[in-house]
Amino acid sequence: DAKTTQPPSMDCAEGRAANLPCNHSTISGNEYVYWYRQIHSQGPQYIIHGLKNNETNEMASLIITEDRKSSTLILPHATLRDTAVYYCIVRGVISNFGNEKLTFGTGTRLTIIP
Amino acid sequence: DTAVSQTPKYLVTQMGNDKSIKCEQNLGHDTMYWYKQDSKKFLKIMFSYNNKELIINETVPNRFSPKSPDKAHLNLHINSLELGDSAVYFCASSPLAPGSPLHFGNGTRLTVT
Repeated sequence: DAKTTQPPSMDCAEGRAANLPCNHSTISGNEYVYWYRQIHSQGPQYIIHGLKNNETNEMASLIITEDRKSSTLILPHATLRDTAVYYCIVRGVISNFGNEKLTFGTGTRLTIIP
Repeated sequence: DTAVSQTPKYLVTQMGNDKSIKCEQNLGHDTMYWYKQDSKKFLKIMFSYNNKELIINETVPNRFSPKSPDKAHLNLHINSLELGDSAVYFCASSPLAPGSPLHFGNGTRLTVT
């Protein structure tokens, strides 16, 4: 059911920016791009989401291409605690009744190297 | 302070037993969910409730019965537990507004022996 493609794994040096790519070439106009991560066996943690514009919060930045067919999550200064599985998820809106279900794929396992 | 809390954190039980997992959220959200993460770490939605009303039921065996006494609580009752029910179960909540993210609890690890 997942509508996104992510590399299965990536490494990043501690202190560097971690750039995680995601392809969502079949995204439709009312679908948001969400990023979550799961550290070890904890609950998935919401990071950021966006529709068309680039977004930034205290955790990360989300860059969405103009055609919206791909996006990149940027962790500006990766720390060892950022080692986790990162999920890119596309999720639509059901008119006034809320949102479609959030469907997780297999994600990218990001390892931060000391 | 905990936004979405689940109890118990660990649950070990024998096949055939009936057990419940409780979930509470103090975020004022309208929608609550149950997700299951199996041994291969694949996260799948099981149920979604909106203001105590069932919205999503993802072909889950009817041994699983969610109950929402009010919009801040969504409990999961499982009858006649089977070995294949062993997994980590995550509760989540979100506002109803379009584009709202989900907030997850820290999970309940269920082991059926």
